[in-house]
Amino acid sequence: GAGVSQSPSNKVTEKGKDVELRCDPISGHTALYWYRQSLGQGLEFLIYFQGNSAPDKSGLPSDRFSAERTGGSVSTLTIQRTQQEDSAVYLCASSPLVGTQYFGPGTRLLVL
Amino acid sequence: DQQVKQNSPSLSVQEGRISILNCDYTNSMFDYFLWYKKYPAEGPTFLISISSIKDKNEDGRFTVFLNKSAKHLSLHIVPSQPGDSAVYFCAASAGRGSTLGRLYFGRGTQLTVWP
Repeated sequence: GAGVSQSPSNKVTEKGKDVELRCDPISGHTALYWYRQSLGQGLEFLIYFQGNSAPDKSGLPSDRFSAERTGGSVSTLTIQRTQQEDSAVYLCASSPLVGTQYFGPGTRLLVL
Repeated sequence: DQQVKQNSPSLSVQEGRISILNCDYTNSMFDYFLWYKKYPAEGPTFLISISSIKDKNEDGRFTVFLNKSAKHLSLHIVPSQPGDSAVYFCAASAGRGSTLGRLYFGRGTQLTVWP
């Protein structure tokens, strides 16, 4: 079956521009997560959506970062006024109500 | 503050031998632990997990051991194969058996299995 998909796979942008990253979770998975991995680092939690509950935004590094999940399925992570330190691989994962998280291939973001 | 630590950034093992990857954690609220494998330019792939009510879980060549008193877990791969060469991430959750919520990840260990 289809796994988690993310788009674009690569994004190069200029400092100060806004970017949108998209995640399509596995069908039927109620939970969706965003993480990012900077060079040489582990995965850093950003935000978590579970069904219709309010999202856990505790990992968002600044108010330039926001995310939405429409209709309990697709999610968009938006970074406004990008900075060079935002360069990282942004990973999306989904899971059923109870279960392991399954990751997409990631979006490689480079801010020049 | 790194709550999950993988202190060995790399490990090199000969094919057929055992690979042992280690992970330590600091948060006593963690009750579920996972190992992920990651190849370059791909997302992490789930490998094996263990609940805090167990001290061992085995799946084929992969076994995870949990020592709660030491806040330590390890992943054993026997026998190691060249295709196992990847970065291995340890992760933990305080999900308490319901949806796991956020995972806390270590920085990963690069395993290289040479022929």
